[in-house]
Amino acid sequence: AQSVTQLDSQVPVFEEAPVELRCNYSSSVSVYLFWYVQYPNQGLQLLLKYLSGSTLVKGINGFEAEFNKSQTSFHLRKPSVHISDTAEYFCAVSSSASKIIFGSGTRLSIRP
Amino acid sequence: EAGVAQSPRYKIIEKRQSVAFWCNPISGHATLYWYQQILGQGPKLLIQFQNNGVVDDSQLPKDRFSAERLKGVDSTLKIQPAKLEDSAVYLCASRNFRQSHEQYFGPGTRLTVT
Repeated sequence: AQSVTQLDSQVPVFEEAPVELRCNYSSSVSVYLFWYVQYPNQGLQLLLKYLSGSTLVKGINGFEAEFNKSQTSFHLRKPSVHISDTAEYFCAVSSSASKIIFGSGTRLSIRP
Repeated sequence: EAGVAQSPRYKIIEKRQSVAFWCNPISGHATLYWYQQILGQGPKLLIQFQNNGVVDDSQLPKDRFSAERLKGVDSTLKIQPAKLEDSAVYLCASRNFRQSHEQYFGPGTRLTVT
């Protein structure tokens, strides 16, 4: 069975500071990994995905994530956050690219 | 291209009443998903359709929840009768399984059961 653990339920940071949102997964087979963002009262939007190849994945809005197979992690990073990045972020894993298992989410709050 | 459409956006009902949600996926997307997102949690898959056939409904509470996608395009999710614990956001997503691993999400329907 697959599972996803997002280690922080809330992450407060100051504007223009760097941020890392942590994600660990468990799976007995090869995986596809995703980060989605959810702004208030909206659906989920894909930030980035890892399917294969380079372990450093770049996404939209200046976010990137690194796939670390030995540590079963897929942490999300941004070097300088903006107020508009305030949202809930979900890490997700799939072994078939059809069914996706989501983590419980990390609420990112940006302080001016 | 138009996104995934859902209606209504908000619904308030009393327990034991019934409710239905509608989803229209992106044109050409054969795969359609319904998720339940309880406050403070990630989305949980309720049911997955491929065209008009059910691929996975293992987490759908079949004693009260039902879903259909009769013509392989739009879909409805019904709850009858509703319970307090059904209060959640119901998200619909679609995917073109031949082209992309990405699921595209609608804005969701926020259900409050009182």
